[in-house]
Amino acid sequence: KQEVTQIPAALSVPEGENLVLNCSFTDSAIYNLQWFRQDPGKGLTSLLLIQSSQREQTSGRLNASLDKSPGRSTLYIAASQPGDSATYLCAVYSGSARQLTFGSGTQLTVLP
Amino acid sequence: GAVVSQHPSWVICKSGTSVKIECRSLDFQATTMFWYRQFPKQSLMLMATSNEGSKATYEQGVEKDKFLINHASLTLSTLTVTSAHPEDSSFYICSASGIGHYNEQFFGPGTRLTVL
Repeated sequence: KQEVTQIPAALSVPEGENLVLNCSFTDSAIYNLQWFRQDPGKGLTSLLLIQSSQREQTSGRLNASLDKSPGRSTLYIAASQPGDSATYLCAVYSGSARQLTFGSGTQLTVLP
Repeated sequence: GAVVSQHPSWVICKSGTSVKIECRSLDFQATTMFWYRQFPKQSLMLMATSNEGSKATYEQGVEKDKFLINHASLTLSTLTVTSAHPEDSSFYICSASGIGHYNEQFFGPGTRLTVL
């Protein structure tokens, strides 16, 4: 059974800092990995999706990498802003049932 | 990208009543829809997977008689919480995948259910 772990659980940084969020997973036989953002009381916003054949994806100030063995991904946020404050979820698409397994998330606070 | 909507966005009901939540794919045919539940400060947990025209597959520990899922068309799935109790209060999120969206799910905005 796939298990996804995210560390740290919470992170507080001053505005302008570059930061890294970590995600690890136990079963490397994945189809893809996806990073989401969730604001309090809201749904999910997809940030980046990395196919299993890819090593990284970039969108604006965000860069996500994928290393299937060992199973891990990092989300790099450059020049953080208060508007980046949210919970970031990592999810892995795997298994014969093709299901998404979510990590517990990293709650990010960017202080002005 | 593909758009998924949910209705209602929030609902408050009395204990013992049933509540229906709709999930619609607006611009694509959703061959598979997923229902997740999220408790406060926790991550999303998959409740069930439904393929259009078939019975839903429930995850271990999810009562299929309490959480009725219908996926009768390629654009609509419904989740009915029967005889709701306060412990069913949660954030319910649906997602959909379909033709042309290989190994990717598109998420609805969620429905906040509060059972008094």
